[in-house]
Amino acid sequence: GAVVSQHPSRVICKSGTSVKIECRSLDFQATTMFWYRQFPKQSLMLMATSNEGSKATYEQGVEKDKFLINHASLTLSTLTVTSAHPEDSSFYICSTGELAKNIQYFGAGTRLSVL
Amino acid sequence: KQEVTQIPAALSVPEGENLVLNCSFTDSAIYNLQWFRQDPGKGLTSLLLIQSSQREQTSGRLNASLDKSSGRSTLYIAASQPGDSATYLCAVMRGATNKLIFGTGTLLAVQP
Repeated sequence: GAVVSQHPSRVICKSGTSVKIECRSLDFQATTMFWYRQFPKQSLMLMATSNEGSKATYEQGVEKDKFLINHASLTLSTLTVTSAHPEDSSFYICSTGELAKNIQYFGAGTRLSVL
Repeated sequence: KQEVTQIPAALSVPEGENLVLNCSFTDSAIYNLQWFRQDPGKGLTSLLLIQSSQREQTSGRLNASLDKSSGRSTLYIAASQPGDSATYLCAVMRGATNKLIFGTGTLLAVQP
C-alpha cells in the first residue's frame, strides 16, 4: 500500500486563488519531506526541503512567499501555492522516506491547473 | 551545475524485446543514482539504486549499470512486457542529502 499519501490528486482553480496540497507519511515519522514540480515534457525539479518544526529550505529560483510550506508534525507537510497564476500550472509531488538509507517514497502527485 | 539527460525521450518496442534506456550526467561526483518508474496519475516507484561505489544492480528482469567516470548509466529491461509501459526516470543524488536531480525521462511503450 501507499507509504506517502498526497491530496488532492487534481485541482483546478481560478487565477488569484490559493491552493493547499497535503503530503502525509502513513507508516513512519517524516522529519524531512521534499517537494518537487514537473512542467510538461520537463524533468522533476526540487522546489524545497521541508523540515518538521523549522523553516523550509528553498532551492534557488523558488519564491518562498509564493510557495508556503508548513511541516508542523512528523506526518504532515503542506504546500500552499498562493495567488496562483496560469504559469503555476504544473505537477507537484512530494517525497519522504528512510533517508539514512537513501530510500524515498513518493506521493501520487497533484496536477494543478490554474485558469 | 549537474545536468541529467535521458535518451531516447520515447521508445516503442514489441513485447518480448530486450531494451536499453540511457542516462547521462555531467558531474561525476554523485552519491548514488536511482532509476524510477512513473505511471500516469501515480507517484514514482523506485526500481534500482546504485551507490557511487557500485557498478551495477539487478532486480528481476531489470539491470542497471553505472559508469561514474564517463557519467553514464543504463537500464536494461529483458523480455519486455506491456506492463512495463511507463515513463522511466533516472536521478542522481548530490552528496548524502537525499536531494535528487532527475532526468527528463524515457516514455516506454511495449506493444502486445
